[in-house]
Amino acid sequence: NAGVTQTPKFRILKIGQSMTLQCAQDMNHNYMYWYRQDPGMGLKLIYYSVGAGITDKGEVPNGYNVSRSTTEDFPLRLELAAPSQTSVYFCASSHYGWTSGRTSVSTDTQYFGPGTRLTVL
Amino acid sequence: AQTVTQSQPEMSVQEAETVTLSCTYDTSESDYYLFWYKQPPSRQMILVIRQEAYKQQNATENRFSVNFQKAAKSFSLKISDSQLGDAAMYFCAYRSALGSQGNLIFGKGTKLSVKP
Repeated sequence: NAGVTQTPKFRILKIGQSMTLQCAQDMNHNYMYWYRQDPGMGLKLIYYSVGAGITDKGEVPNGYNVSRSTTEDFPLRLELAAPSQTSVYFCASSHYGWTSGRTSVSTDTQYFGPGTRLTVL
Repeated sequence: AQTVTQSQPEMSVQEAETVTLSCTYDTSESDYYLFWYKQPPSRQMILVIRQEAYKQQNATENRFSVNFQKAAKSFSLKISDSQLGDAAMYFCAYRSALGSQGNLIFGKGTKLSVKP
């Protein structure tokens, strides 16, 4: 298994340009997430998806869009790049279902991709 | 809303020694998960250890162990026999066991240096 893969690894954009960050996982996980990590900070949730065709906003969704047409892929779209979007972007996935010993449904451990370093100038 | 606090921006340890990284969190929930992730210079987020709040026993993974104090909302990571490869940023993270979002809430991280 390749796990969670992200492309590209690095990208420099000019203000106002658009791009799509790609994310794919081969673990048949139903949940997928996009986080951003600003310098000296932890990760913050941008968008997440609970399955194909279902997405929802996280803590910092402004300036981004997502889609989830398949279980495997969860691309993140930046429409009009701004300097404030300079960051490292991480995609993650996890399984949502019954955990052994529990009496309620819960999500399991999240597995992260290697990240995309984006600079907007 | 839940918050995670790591009060030590940087820590240093001598190779083969033991170091403890601190983490506190704030929540009104009783059911949740706690994690420690390691982020080396490669930026890859690597799961170190996880703790389920309903389990009283502290989690252990080889040289890594936690001290989970639920009443105090404290979740420290102990690294024994430190190795040069342990040098990295370490993030404490919280995840609710309720609802369907399942996202992680991260602290700001602790940078660990290991001296030979």
